[in-house]
Amino acid sequence: GAVVSQHPSWVICKSGTSVKIECRSLDFQATTMFWYRQFPKQSLMLMATSNEGSKATYEQGVEKDKFLINHASLTLSTLTVTSAHPEDSSFYICSASVARLAQGRSEKLFFGSGTQLSVL
Amino acid sequence: DAKTTQPPSMDCAEGRAANLPCNHSTISGNEYVYWYRQIHSQGPQYIIHGLKNNETNEMASLIITEDRKSSTLILPHATLRDTAVYYCIVMTQGAQKLVFGQGTRLTINP
Repeated sequence: GAVVSQHPSWVICKSGTSVKIECRSLDFQATTMFWYRQFPKQSLMLMATSNEGSKATYEQGVEKDKFLINHASLTLSTLTVTSAHPEDSSFYICSASVARLAQGRSEKLFFGSGTQLSVL
Repeated sequence: DAKTTQPPSMDCAEGRAANLPCNHSTISGNEYVYWYRQIHSQGPQYIIHGLKNNETNEMASLIITEDRKSSTLILPHATLRDTAVYYCIVMTQGAQKLVFGQGTRLTINP
């Protein structure tokens, strides 16, 4: 299947600094990418939808100025956690949508391996 | 998108078939049933999806009832590496974002 590469896999930073997470589709063009966060023992929560060349769409309750998303190309989306605080510590996961398949086929998403962010 | 209901946890012996149920009684005619799983500290992994016919691939089989109100994911010969949280999701064709419920935490025991 398609490969989505996410970097870094883990990061530790000081409170108040910014952290950038990259999500790349390695063997396909992803017109849309999604960012999720996951707290321990909880399910994935969608944060935002990232469309190439346009502004991201954020889910209710997610601060757009806090979580900056850039989708400058069909293979790369970045999530920047600005002025990180300990409560931002979480597992962040990206996913990418393969372009629409043949008529009658539903699309499926491929996920990156996730980034564990720890803010001290 | 329709809501799904799954048991919070299940156990299965290694080598046996693991059958994971999912209820989606409000599914509409154009919604597919998707299964993903998440092994600890990794991103979700696609397993299988279907509309109304039963499906099988190298990982699993998906059995969808005739009324489409429920489905069962079958791992035919479970191994310890199949221990994960399994998510059943229904999604319309062309919709792209997945909304995850709480899933079923499957533990394979030696």
